[in-house]
Amino acid sequence: GQNIDQPTEMTATEGAIVQINCTYQTSGFNGLFWYQQHAGEAPTFLSYNVLDGLEEKGRFSSFLSRSKGYSYLLLKELQMKDSASYLCAAGSGNTGKLIFGQGTTLQVKP
Amino acid sequence: SAVISQKPSRDICQRGTSLTIQCQVDSQVTMMFWYRQQPGQSLTLIATANQGSEATYESGFVIDKFPISRPNLTFSTLTVSNMSPEDSSIYLCSGRQGLNTEAFFGQGTRLTVV
Repeated sequence: GQNIDQPTEMTATEGAIVQINCTYQTSGFNGLFWYQQHAGEAPTFLSYNVLDGLEEKGRFSSFLSRSKGYSYLLLKELQMKDSASYLCAAGSGNTGKLIFGQGTTLQVKP
Repeated sequence: SAVISQKPSRDICQRGTSLTIQCQVDSQVTMMFWYRQQPGQSLTLIATANQGSEATYESGFVIDKFPISRPNLTFSTLTVSNMSPEDSSIYLCSGRQGLNTEAFFGQGTRLTVV
């Protein structure tokens, strides 16, 4: 079956670092994606991991361990505008479809 | 990534009627998908829109309720048929160029069925 788990809510302080974890169990896994979604808007792409290890892109980094079925998104130097929902999604099979987790709502406080 | 224009952006419909949502991509894309997002929830895949053939539906979704067309590599439609209030949701189309590329999304259609 397909299963992707991530925490429902997180709270962090402006300027701090926050790590959002995601575990997945997906047939035909071919990559792990992170998206940011502000209320009322479409998801926007943040990062993609297909090999084990860390991918860094500015204030955002994403890590993948395929053997453990585990990924995390790391956000540094948090800003108020980072308050949003963060969606973990796994690529499944050769059709290109993505299976999404339930999303983590991050609230950044002053 | 390419840009998807999705319309309508929102609609209020009477139960029992049908609504067709359109997505136009500004360049050819290999893959297109349709998702549903209930308020406060994540994205649930409805189906993969296959160019020139019948869509591939996920468990719990059927062609009679959600007919999909994809006549070419830049355009797709999703129809929500015989609507009920339970169909009230945001519907999003998505495209991907390949397995090693990200998915990008239209702006969504907020549907309310009364």
